[in-house]
Amino acid sequence: DARVTQTPRHKVTEMGQEVTMRCQPILGHNTVFWYRQTMMQGLELLAYFRNRAPLDDSGMPKDRFSAEMPDATLATLKIQPSEPRDSAVYFCASGRQGYQKELFFGSGTQLSVL
Amino acid sequence: QKEVEQNSGPLSVPEGAIASLNCTYSDRGSQSFFWYRQYSGKSPELIMSIYSNGDKEDGRFTAQLNKASQYVSLLIRDSQPSDSATYLCAVEYGNKLVFGAGTILRVKS
Repeated sequence: DARVTQTPRHKVTEMGQEVTMRCQPILGHNTVFWYRQTMMQGLELLAYFRNRAPLDDSGMPKDRFSAEMPDATLATLKIQPSEPRDSAVYFCASGRQGYQKELFFGSGTQLSVL
Repeated sequence: QKEVEQNSGPLSVPEGAIASLNCTYSDRGSQSFFWYRQYSGKSPELIMSIYSNGDKEDGRFTAQLNKASQYVSLLIRDSQPSDSATYLCAVEYGNKLVFGAGTILRVKS
């Protein structure tokens, strides 16, 4: 059963701490997307990768957020230092480059910054 | 700025009725359109994709696309209480998917 795996499922941290979220895309998928979801803003695109190369991170606050894909099976999203306004659900999604651009989402990381 | 607009709802329909969900988008160059369903506390799940003008049917779901009007819709026939969820319209803009805010659907038994 192919699925996108995200860890941790929940994270509670204090303001100023570093947060790292991890994502394992579906085997064979070559695009990875990071989205953030809040009640006010809905799903916002933070960054995306194709063949492990970052193509767009314009949705990310550059001073505190960073996204990497060290290998084809792992994508990471880091926040340092974290702030209460970063509290949200962070989703990773993967897909295949090509005409059909369906994305498959992981279960998300529920982040609470106190 | 690329936009995807949806009525936030909630849209309430009785069990067995047809639910009609609508979406408009701003970029005429978009070629790929998707509907995702999201249950409360869960992740978005792809239910339909459509790439050409016209209708596409899959079981109780029909997606409709009108590129000239920049309009996408989702019809759910014989609505069930289990269809109660938020439905997200997503539009491809240059290899990125931009999502609408979603429409809350409530199916009353």
